[in-house]
Amino acid sequence: GAVVSQHPSWVICKSGTSVKIECRSLDFQATTMFWYRQFPKQSLMLMATSNEGSKATYEQGVEKDKFLINHASLTLSTLTVTSAHPEDSSFYICSAKKGPQGNEQFFGPGTRLTVL
Amino acid sequence: TQLLEQSPQFLSIQEGENLTVYCNSSSVFSSLQWYRQEPGEGPVLLVTVVTGGEVKKLKRLTFQFGDARKDSSLHITAAQPGDTGLYLCAGAWGNNAGNMLTFGGGTRLMVKP
Repeated sequence: GAVVSQHPSWVICKSGTSVKIECRSLDFQATTMFWYRQFPKQSLMLMATSNEGSKATYEQGVEKDKFLINHASLTLSTLTVTSAHPEDSSFYICSAKKGPQGNEQFFGPGTRLTVL
Repeated sequence: TQLLEQSPQFLSIQEGENLTVYCNSSSVFSSLQWYRQEPGEGPVLLVTVVTGGEVKKLKRLTFQFGDARKDSSLHITAAQPGDTGLYLCAGAWGNNAGNMLTFGGGTRLMVKP
């Protein structure tokens, strides 16, 4: 199998607080994980690529100081939205690759963030 | 940045009808995936195509990869209400570092009973 979990499933927070989202590969080791953002009725937009043990690679326009990514192990990557604001409200989805070869990504169930 | 165009954006059909979704790029894909996503959930991988001209079937879904590997299509035969969802194509090009995927804009399908 290739199961990816995310926690929490949804979170509501006040403006100015920081929120951490976890992404775990449950039955495989993921050398690379990806973080996406999805606005209502839109497609997925890649935010960053996370490799275990190294710094994440951020897509153009994504603030790395605002969206902190830590890929501390082969089964866990975290995304921390710092000083969240209402415009950060979105559906955040992570995915993981099983190995260095191939392009298939397996997605987590997503985390809905609402910033009041 | 590689662009991937998906069409149509929206499709509302009656149960039993057939439909085709298209995914196009001006560049050659190294591989292409099709995903289906339901509201509030992550995308679920349906198929991966890598060889030009390749055809794969998944029950009532038929996936085709263009000979030049620049386009792909998803055909659904006798659509059912359970097929309702967002269909996404995602492509990878060349030997891009990290094998990241670029997603098409998605096709939102509604099948009415």
